[in-house]
Amino acid sequence: GAVVSQHPSWVICKSGTSVKIECRSLDFQATTMFWYRQFPKQSLMLMATSNEGSKATYEQGVEKDKFLINHASLTLSTLTVTSAHPEDSSFYICSAHQGLAGRTQYFGPGTRLLVL
Amino acid sequence: AQSVSQHNHHVILSEAASLELGCNYSYGGTVNLFWYVQYPGQHLQLLLKYFSGDPLVKGIKGFEAEFIKSKFSFNLRKPSVQWSDTAEYFCAVNGMNTGFQKLVFGTGTRLLVSP
Repeated sequence: GAVVSQHPSWVICKSGTSVKIECRSLDFQATTMFWYRQFPKQSLMLMATSNEGSKATYEQGVEKDKFLINHASLTLSTLTVTSAHPEDSSFYICSAHQGLAGRTQYFGPGTRLLVL
Repeated sequence: AQSVSQHNHHVILSEAASLELGCNYSYGGTVNLFWYVQYPGQHLQLLLKYFSGDPLVKGIKGFEAEFIKSKFSFNLRKPSVQWSDTAEYFCAVNGMNTGFQKLVFGTGTRLLVSP
């Protein structure tokens, strides 16, 4: 149980285009999902907390107009990188809490984004 | 704000050697503690977690960790490593101050086990 999937697993796009990444909890409902960014050889940095049916909460320094998050259902959250630039190239990982009172996050496989 | 430090950035061991990876956190309140592992090319997987109770926690694949509250530590141990344990290990904490929502990660430790 507690499987989280992401799609796509990797994407290459041109500068200025927008890219949407999906995060799904496959066998459980997730009222809260999280989006992280991982730079090469570095740890995960939390970008935002995504709550089903409400606006996401962004961490300091993360542009909410740049990284649009939608959590329309209990099993799906999406991250849209708008007007992507080469500096947005990174590994984006989502996670989800299992259960309403869950404290354990289960992670998706990540999406590698390369902006040319 | 919480922070997590992992002192060993790279560890190289031979098979059958014992492993201990250090993890210290800074937060005075109630915390939940986690160790995640990321095998090459794979996603983060939960190794073990501590919420309360026995401070010695056993996880998957023979790993264990001990929560020492007085030292703000949660070190990961394995008595005898295998080549397949080659991976990156992340310690993470969430605290009561964020409703146990936000995970703060350490910088990770890359373990290489030579056969």
